[in-house]
Amino acid sequence: AQSVTQPDIHITVSEGASLELRCNYSYGATPYLFWYVQSPGQGLQLLLKYFSGDTLVQGIKGFEAEFKRSQSSFNLRKPSVHWSDAAEYFCAVGARSGNTGKLIFGQGTTLQVKP
Amino acid sequence: GAGVSQSPSNKVTEKGKDVELRCDPISGHTALYWYRQSLGQGLEFLIYFQGNSAPDKSGLPSDRFSAERTGGSVSTLTIQRTQQEDSAVYLCASSPRQPSTDTQYFGPGTRLTVL
Repeated sequence: AQSVTQPDIHITVSEGASLELRCNYSYGATPYLFWYVQSPGQGLQLLLKYFSGDTLVQGIKGFEAEFKRSQSSFNLRKPSVHWSDAAEYFCAVGARSGNTGKLIFGQGTTLQVKP
Repeated sequence: GAGVSQSPSNKVTEKGKDVELRCDPISGHTALYWYRQSLGQGLEFLIYFQGNSAPDKSGLPSDRFSAERTGGSVSTLTIQRTQQEDSAVYLCASSPRQPSTDTQYFGPGTRLTVL
């Protein structure tokens, strides 16, 4: 069955420090991969997505993610975290085949930023 | 332009009552999705509409849940005989065309509380 695992439920980093949020997926083939962010009281916003090609993808707000097929991972990184990055982050997979756009989400990682 | 809108933003109901949640997708978007976000289950796919095709209802948790999309635009999610476990935030999303590759744009959600 398809699934997404975000091993870290909660992460705290200091402002200006680097960040890596982990995401592992289970899927029969290479899926489409997404990272979304949800700020308090806000809807989900797409940070970046991977479909094919270069395995290092750049997103908005200075985020990037690297697809590693051998590890079934799609970790999100940012070199220097800002206080405004405090939010909940969701990794998701989407199917490459079939007429469905449904996304399967991980449980989310809550990021707290210390001043 | 206007994003995805949902109404009401909050809904409190008594167990056993029926509720209707509304979603207005971004104008011109042919694909529409409903997800549910709850503490215990995370973000779960519920149903997907694409143009005039039959909807993908594979995520609906029980026959108490139904959804329709009128005129290819506005969608209503109906929950009959609500139960306390239905308490969650119900998120709607829309995307322009291709279900798998297009970005899904999420609304702010409807928070449903069943007493």
